[in-house]
Amino acid sequence: GAVVSQHPSWVICKSGTSVKIECRSLDFQATTMFWYRQFPKQSLMLMATSNEGSKATYEQGVEKDKFLINHASLTLSTLTVTSAHPEDSSFYICSCLKRAHDEKLFFGSGTQLSVL
Amino acid sequence: SQQGEEDPQALSIQEGENATMNCSYKTSINNLQWYRQNSGRGLVHLILIRSNEREKHSGRLRVTLDTSKKSSSLLITASRAADTASYFCATAPFGETSGSRLTFGEGTQLTVNP
Repeated sequence: GAVVSQHPSWVICKSGTSVKIECRSLDFQATTMFWYRQFPKQSLMLMATSNEGSKATYEQGVEKDKFLINHASLTLSTLTVTSAHPEDSSFYICSCLKRAHDEKLFFGSGTQLSVL
Repeated sequence: SQQGEEDPQALSIQEGENATMNCSYKTSINNLQWYRQNSGRGLVHLILIRSNEREKHSGRLRVTLDTSKKSSSLLITASRAADTASYFCATAPFGETSGSRLTFGEGTQLTVNP
């Protein structure tokens, strides 16, 4: 199997604070990690693609200074929502590509962010 | 951009019945995948069908792909209450190397009533 751990599962924060979300591949090395945002009853919107040791590639319309992505190792990527505002409240999900299984994604369990 | 459209948006059936969900896409693909998402959770990969395949089975799942119509269907046979979830199709663009990013459809919310 391939286990992806995402932490925290939920977070409530005050407006203006920064929140860091971690995505770890526990039993494999992830060549690439992806970060998504999902609104209730909607599909996943890809925010950025993260490769170990290089800068993330952001999708059009996603502010790279707002959503900082760091992929320091083959097993860890982090998404930091900087100066969070209520409109950043959403469900954030990461996924990982595993070598030799490059065509399917393994997902974290998601993080529900609520900004007050 | 989201290129997948799924229908129906919501489907409610009784346990034991079959559930069919459809997905349409716009551009040429390398493969099409189906994922399942339980409420408030991440997605789980169900099945992958390549562009040169027409049908694939996995347990109670049957997936078809019609590249001429740019559409796919997911059939869940003998449904169970535990099948209640959202189901998403996702397409991998044609011509890109493996590991390219997937584009997800809008999803079908399936409710299986006991």
